[in-house]
Amino acid sequence: AQRVTQPEKLLSVFKGAPVELKCNYSYSGSPELFWYVQYSRQRLQLLLRHISRESIKGFTADLNKGETSFHLKKPFAQEEDSAMYYCALSDQAGTALIFGKGTTLSVSS
Amino acid sequence: GAGVSQTPSNKVTEKGKYVELRCDPISGHTALYWYRQSLGQGPEFLIYFQGTGAADDSGLPNDRFFAVRPEGSVSTLKIQRTERGDSAVYLCASSLSGGVTEAFFGQGTRLTVV
Repeated sequence: AQRVTQPEKLLSVFKGAPVELKCNYSYSGSPELFWYVQYSRQRLQLLLRHISRESIKGFTADLNKGETSFHLKKPFAQEEDSAMYYCALSDQAGTALIFGKGTTLSVSS
Repeated sequence: GAGVSQTPSNKVTEKGKYVELRCDPISGHTALYWYRQSLGQGPEFLIYFQGTGAADDSGLPNDRFFAVRPEGSVSTLKIQRTERGDSAVYLCASSLSGGVTEAFFGQGTRLTVV
């Protein structure tokens, strides 16, 4: 079964501290993985995708097929990073996303 | 319009009633998705339209749920005989050609069944 697991409901860090939001997945085949973010009172939006190997707002995520993980990292957290983060997997048909339950990141000064 | 618009933003209904939730996608977007987000959960896929037809409705939980997109633009999600377990935020998203990861999400409709 295809599944995305985000083990932490809440992650609280201080400004300037490193951040790692964990994501593990279960998928048969070559997965496409993504991170979505929802800031307070805003819409859900795509943050980054593994195939782009990009860094957005200082965040990066590396797909580790051996560990079936796609953790989101940022070396120095900013207060404006506070939001809900969802890890997601594209289904085999490529028409639907399977989301994890989300992790709330809280960055305080 | 600037983005995907969903109406109403909030809906409270009594158990057993019928409700309709509306989604106005971004103009020109042929693909449209409905997701449901229950409290404490991530969004769950319900249905995907390409144009007027439902290309994938495998996420609809049962036959009380139905969605239409008669002219390939606005879509309506219809829920019959609502139950308290239907309470959730219903999200709509649209994309230009069908790539779900290129989709833009609406603000959602918060449905509360009392």
